[in-house]
Amino acid sequence: GAVVSQHPSWVICKSGTSVKIECRSLDFQATTMFWYRQFPKQSLMLMATSNEGSKATYEQGVEKDKFLINHASLTLSTLTVTSAHPEDSSFYICSAGTLAEGVDTQYFGPGTRLTVL
Amino acid sequence: GEDVEQSLFLSVREGDSSVINCTYTDSSSTYLYWYKQEPGAGLQLLTYIFSNMDMKQDQRLTVLLNKKDKHLSLRIADTQTGDSAIYFCAESIRYSGYALNFGKGTSLLVTP
Repeated sequence: GAVVSQHPSWVICKSGTSVKIECRSLDFQATTMFWYRQFPKQSLMLMATSNEGSKATYEQGVEKDKFLINHASLTLSTLTVTSAHPEDSSFYICSAGTLAEGVDTQYFGPGTRLTVL
Repeated sequence: GEDVEQSLFLSVREGDSSVINCTYTDSSSTYLYWYKQEPGAGLQLLTYIFSNMDMKQDQRLTVLLNKKDKHLSLRIADTQTGDSAIYFCAESIRYSGYALNFGKGTSLLVTP
């Protein structure tokens, strides 16, 4: 089956630093990748849609200058949390979209837990 | 986006059937999905149903869709302790490619 990896799986950083999270589709090419954020005991909230070779589309209320997304290839998208603050601490999950048996399907990465001190 | 509603918790005994319910918001959603999330793991796609279908069965899983009421359910037959996890219902968001709008998830606890 389709595999999506994320790196790192967890990161602790000081307030004010920037953190980059990578999302890779390992055995398929994904023209579209999605970035979600999940708070404890909450649902996944879509942050942005990332298309290879073009600018990401951000959901309402998500600061594009704070959450920089780059989708430079069909297998890699990165999310950079700039000048991170404690309120940015969360579980960040990416997914990569492809057609599976004719159905638009997303395969999810295992997530990255960010803790900002 | 608007909320996809799910009950937060369900407890069943091993061997019984589990039914997890979901109410979604967008009547134009093309696909509706069920995902499973085990502790510390990513989301695993369990099954999906196309919006013009009423029912889909896949081994122990049965999905029922009532499009008029925007109600989706997932039935797990012969529930096992390994089925304990959080189950998320999700609808496709037409305006954002095929991104998903998720419910808050239902924690299923299966007791021996």
